[in-house]
Amino acid sequence: DAGVTQSPTHLIKTRGQQVTLRCSPKSGHDTVSWYQQALGQGPQFIFQYYEEEERQRGNFPDRFSGHQFPNYSSELNVNALLLGDSALYLCASSLLGAQANSPLHFGNGTRLTVT
Amino acid sequence: RKEVEQDPGPFNVPEGATVAFNCTYSNSASQSFFWYRQDCRKEPKLLMSVYSSGNEDGRFTAQLNRASQYISLLIRDSKLSDSATYLCVVNPPEAGTALIFGKGTTLSVSS
Repeated sequence: DAGVTQSPTHLIKTRGQQVTLRCSPKSGHDTVSWYQQALGQGPQFIFQYYEEEERQRGNFPDRFSGHQFPNYSSELNVNALLLGDSALYLCASSLLGAQANSPLHFGNGTRLTVT
Repeated sequence: RKEVEQDPGPFNVPEGATVAFNCTYSNSASQSFFWYRQDCRKEPKLLMSVYSSGNEDGRFTAQLNRASQYISLLIRDSKLSDSATYLCVVNPPEAGTALIFGKGTTLSVSS
């Protein structure tokens, strides 16, 4: 049973460009959360999707947007890339009806480098 | 005060040593606490949840002190393979279902 899978593994973009990252949740999970981890920092919550809608959002600008598909997979889009967007982007899936405040299990992440 | 604070280290210890990490959190109403382990350039992985009564998993012991708002992780008989960054994680009420991570404490175990 595959866990959370993310693609691509690595990505290099130029300032001003747009990027799309993808995440497939663990089988049976219906909720996807995205986190950004800059070098030397802990992961920071970007947003969470459930039933194809953004359910909760962290302190990130509107340049960060997402989408969830009927099969529960998700995309993270970042527009007008800045150098500071260089980070490891992590996706985690969960079951909304599961025990509240359960720990998250992350995918391998996508390492984005903006030059 | 930051939501979750950790001593970044690094902690450099020999094999077999006992090492302890502490973490403080700002919201006294927080209910869920975890320790995650992150290897270099990899994703964080859950090491253990932290329960009010304290809990142990092999060589690892986690403690929660609600009065002082700190969490600790004790590693006994350190192994080379324990070298990693340890992230303290809290779920305060205002965060909803989001987890709040500390910056992590780096441990290096040498032979």
